[in-house]
Formats: sequence, C-alpha cells, structure tokens
Amino acid sequence: DQQVKQNSPSLSVQEGRISILNCDYTNSMFDYFLWYKKYPAEGPTFLISISSIKDKNEDGRFTVFLNKSAKHLSLHIVPSQPGDSAVYFCAASGISGANNLFFGTGTRLTVIP
Amino acid sequence: EPEVTQTPSHQVTQMGQEVILRCVPISNHLYFYWYRQILGQKVEFLVSFYNNEISEKSEIFDDQFSVERPDGSNFTLKIRSTKLEDSAMYFCASSDRDRDNSPLHFGNGTRLTVT
Repeated sequence: DQQVKQNSPSLSVQEGRISILNCDYTNSMFDYFLWYKKYPAEGPTFLISISSIKDKNEDGRFTVFLNKSAKHLSLHIVPSQPGDSAVYFCAASGISGANNLFFGTGTRLTVIP
Repeated sequence: EPEVTQTPSHQVTQMGQEVILRCVPISNHLYFYWYRQILGQKVEFLVSFYNNEISEKSEIFDDQFSVERPDGSNFTLKIRSTKLEDSAMYFCASSDRDRDNSPLHFGNGTRLTVT
C-alpha cells in the first residue's frame, strides 16, 4: 500500500538554510494532509496540516504547500535549526471521513550546525 | 501541555501469550486510535474508537486484536495470542473531533517484542 510516498529517506541541510521535504500521494480522495515530526523513542508529534481547499499553510518557520493537480505536498522549514533534526512523516486522510491516517515512510532530516 | 501516555514502554512476551497495551488519552478527547510501526516500515493504522465502539479498523486488526475503554481514562489494546510478526512499536493516539480535522496526538509508544 503506497498511497503516500516520501521518496527521500534522508536530507542534510546546513543550519540557517531552508529544508524542503517532499511527499506524493496517489489517492485523489485524500482531503487533509499533515506533517508529523518524530524523535527517537518518542511518538510522532503534530507539526502542521493543510486542507485540500488550500494550497499553502504557514506556521512560524514551517510552511506546507499543496499541489493537488500534481498530488504533491512539501514542507518548508526556514531557517533550519539543529533541533529540527528528526524524522518527518507526511500523512493523509479523507477517504473514510475518519481520522484514519495513511503515513509515508518518513524522511530523516539532519540539520548541520 | 496535556499528553497521551502509554505503558509499558517496552513489553517482551513469548509467542502465543496474551498482551495488553495501555494508554491514557488526553482527557477531553473523544476519539482514540491505535497505530503500529514495524521496524523499518510505515506507521500503520490499526483501529479507531469512539463512543465506546470501534468506528473503523484496518485489515491488520483481525480477531486476535481487541480494544477496550474499561473506565473513563484508559484505552487498551489486547493481542490475544501474539505472533512473531506482532513485534512492533504500538502507538496510541487521541483527538478532539469537536472541530474538523483535529490532528491526532500520539503517545511515545510501547515497543512489543515477541520471542
């Protein structure tokens, strides 16, 4: 089941620069998208979300962009900080109307001081 | 900030044994979930629970699995007869659906090892 894909398993970025994490999905019925951050030995922590009626949502250093025609979303972190180093999961929902989230495999972000 | 708590953090059990994983969701949340992540794989949905009944479950959630909210605070996942392939991190989550698309809040997980 590859309904949500994160094709980059890892990403390294210099502190202060922009981090761009990408996510693709295949199911056009998805209407709500989320990014979660996960540190080792912890559960996923909600970061930011976007509804399919929008194409951009911003929260501080984090911005999520949604391109529905391309079935693609991205998370921009600027400026990147060493504390942002974690695994980032993209997730999508909407098929059933419930909160059954479909997760990507994650991208490990390393921010180099 | 309120959080979802899970116990134990690590559970080791022998194949065929029953295990119960425990969760205390955020107190004013109404929807509860179990997800799991097998090592190196995706986080996968198992089951959602609302108003004292299962609202949705995945193919993974077969007859070996059950969930219960035995009191006003706990939410448990029981695996009746564990198999080696049940070894995974199990995450409990809760959400407040009073507003649309309320994000899930996850606990830190229970690592289940079946030997």
